[in-house]
Amino acid sequence: GESVGLHLPTLSVQEGDNSIINCAYSNSASDYFIWYKQESGKGPQFIIDIRSNMDKRQGQRVTVLLNKTVKHLSLQIAATQPGDSAVYFCAENTASNTGKLIFGQGTTLQVKP
Amino acid sequence: DAGVIQSPRHEVTEMGQEVTLRCKPISGHDYLFWYRQTMMRGLELLIYFNNNVPIDDSGMPEDRFSAKMPNASFSTLKIQPSEPRDSAVYFCASSSQGNGYTFGSGTRLTVV
Repeated sequence: GESVGLHLPTLSVQEGDNSIINCAYSNSASDYFIWYKQESGKGPQFIIDIRSNMDKRQGQRVTVLLNKTVKHLSLQIAATQPGDSAVYFCAENTASNTGKLIFGQGTTLQVKP
Repeated sequence: DAGVIQSPRHEVTEMGQEVTLRCKPISGHDYLFWYRQTMMRGLELLIYFNNNVPIDDSGMPEDRFSAKMPNASFSTLKIQPSEPRDSAVYFCASSSQGNGYTFGSGTRLTVV
């Protein structure tokens, strides 16, 4: 069935280092992917998205890479800060314009000062 | 824009009682989603609407759960009767034409 999974449940990094959070997806028909950040007690917050016709997209301090060949998605955070500590989810839209997002299980990012 | 607004933020109820969760999506958004989040199952899509019409309710756990969207600015998720296993955080999200999914702050439901 459709599934989105994260490789690492917890990632611990030193402040100032770069972070890489990985995600594997199983549905080759998925054409839209989103990374969310969720802080304790809050709803998921949109970070960055990418469509399947791209393999890289950059935002402010964040980069998303998409490898459709191996169905892999990653989120890179440059110069990680304590405020980046949160749970990160990848989500995929399994069919264009249906609006149906499937979420992975999440990775906890811990930033050590 | 105030974003997606959910109420109440917290709800504690006794088993067997009816619970109604409310959501106001972002103005102009044509999709509305209800998700449930638990430690065991993560974020699960319960149901979503497009232009106020339910499109996919395959994630609704059972008949005790129902959702309505009477107009473009309001939706409810009702549980009747509630059970302890329904305890979770329920999120509403909205998007425009499948883009820019925005979540509300959630309703933390505790059924005792």
